[in-house]
Amino acid sequence: EAGVAQSPRYKIIEKRQSVAFWCNPISGHATLYWYQQILGQGPKLLIQFQNNGVVDDSQLPKDRFSAERLKGVDSTLKIQPAKLEDSAVYLCASLPRLKRPQETQYFGPGTRLLVL
Amino acid sequence: ELKVEQNPLFLSMQEGKNYTIYCNYSTTSDRLYWYRQDPGKSLESLFVLLSNGAVKQEGRLMASLDTKARLSTLHITAAVHDLSATYFCAVGIILIQGAQKLVFGQGTRLTINP
Repeated sequence: EAGVAQSPRYKIIEKRQSVAFWCNPISGHATLYWYQQILGQGPKLLIQFQNNGVVDDSQLPKDRFSAERLKGVDSTLKIQPAKLEDSAVYLCASLPRLKRPQETQYFGPGTRLLVL
Repeated sequence: ELKVEQNPLFLSMQEGKNYTIYCNYSTTSDRLYWYRQDPGKSLESLFVLLSNGAVKQEGRLMASLDTKARLSTLHITAAVHDLSATYFCAVGIILIQGAQKLVFGQGTRLTINP
């Protein structure tokens, strides 16, 4: 079974530029998560999708971050414009079914963003 | 706001020794997850604990959950170098829609020296 795929793996941009990240979850996984992991900290949930609907985006900085999951499969996360404090690893995770706590999230390799 | 605190944040130990990582959380939950992260890598699931008194063991690692104390522990027995990594606990929180979100601790960076 293929894992969660993310691209690009690394991205360097200047502040005020825009950037987009892509995630392809494990086939058949209905739930998709985007996390931000700042160096030395634990992952922080930005947004959670169930199929193509948003379940929780309470911690997404909506003035600059946006995310979509068209057709309930792939997802993109965009930052526009980027700030220095957005430098982090952006992790995508997926889950087979929404209401089965015994199942664990599967994480992708992450996209490492550096904003200069 | 839910807080998940791990202790210690940094741990350096010798091979063959035993040690425990603690995970305290500030709200009621009976769902606790442990993950491992190697440098530059993503997160790998270790344990899922879903009830008070739950105990899971895999090799030299054993995790337990006390929901009344809002405490989970990850115990390392006779540590070996391969266990060097950062360990995260995460608390499962049920959303209104019945979905679950995870709130992670800060992580414990474990270094095991020969």
